[in-house]
Amino acid sequence: AQSVTQLDSQVPVFEEAPVELRCNYSSSVSVYLFWYVQYPNQGLQLLLKYLSGSTLVKGINGFEAEFNKSQTSFHLRKPSVHISDTAEYFCAVSDRGSTLGRLYFGRGTQLTVWP
Amino acid sequence: DAGITQSPRHKVTETGTPVTLRCHQTENHRYMYWYRQDPGHGLRLIHYSYGVKDTDKGEVSDGYSVSRSKTEDFLLTLESATSSQTSVYFCAISESPVEQYFGPGTRLTVT
Repeated sequence: AQSVTQLDSQVPVFEEAPVELRCNYSSSVSVYLFWYVQYPNQGLQLLLKYLSGSTLVKGINGFEAEFNKSQTSFHLRKPSVHISDTAEYFCAVSDRGSTLGRLYFGRGTQLTVWP
Repeated sequence: DAGITQSPRHKVTETGTPVTLRCHQTENHRYMYWYRQDPGHGLRLIHYSYGVKDTDKGEVSDGYSVSRSKTEDFLLTLESATSSQTSVYFCAISESPVEQYFGPGTRLTVT
């Protein structure tokens, strides 16, 4: 089974500062990796995904993430955050070989951007 | 946004009563999933479906049952609601086993 650890439950940052949200995973098989964002009182929206190929993945809203296989990490970054980026962010993995696509989520990181 | 609706969006019910939540999709996607979201736990899979009448358990399935009689509808039933089932419930759909699209959620309170 897979497991996902998001190392920070809360990340406060000032507007226009860079941010990194950390995600590590554990799996005995090859995985797909995802970052989802949840704005208050809304469902989850896919930010970006790593399926194969380049380890640097670009997503929506200026976010990017880098897959590091040796460190089993998939950290999310943004060079300059906005107030509107305040939300909860979830890292997730699924088994590359599975036909069912079950997602295993981390516990989430609350990003708060201050003016 | 993917065509997913959940109903009801909010519900308050009493301990011991049965509750059914509905997920409806207009995308004709094969896979459907029910998750619950609790503070400090992220999202956890309750049940999933890989076709009409084909369902299986997730990691937190005790106290829940599901049914899928049509491609577009996936029902989650709490057979006898308990306070520990107070949560936000999300439905998700996918066509390939790679990318899931989430509904707006149902906030359930069991008193």
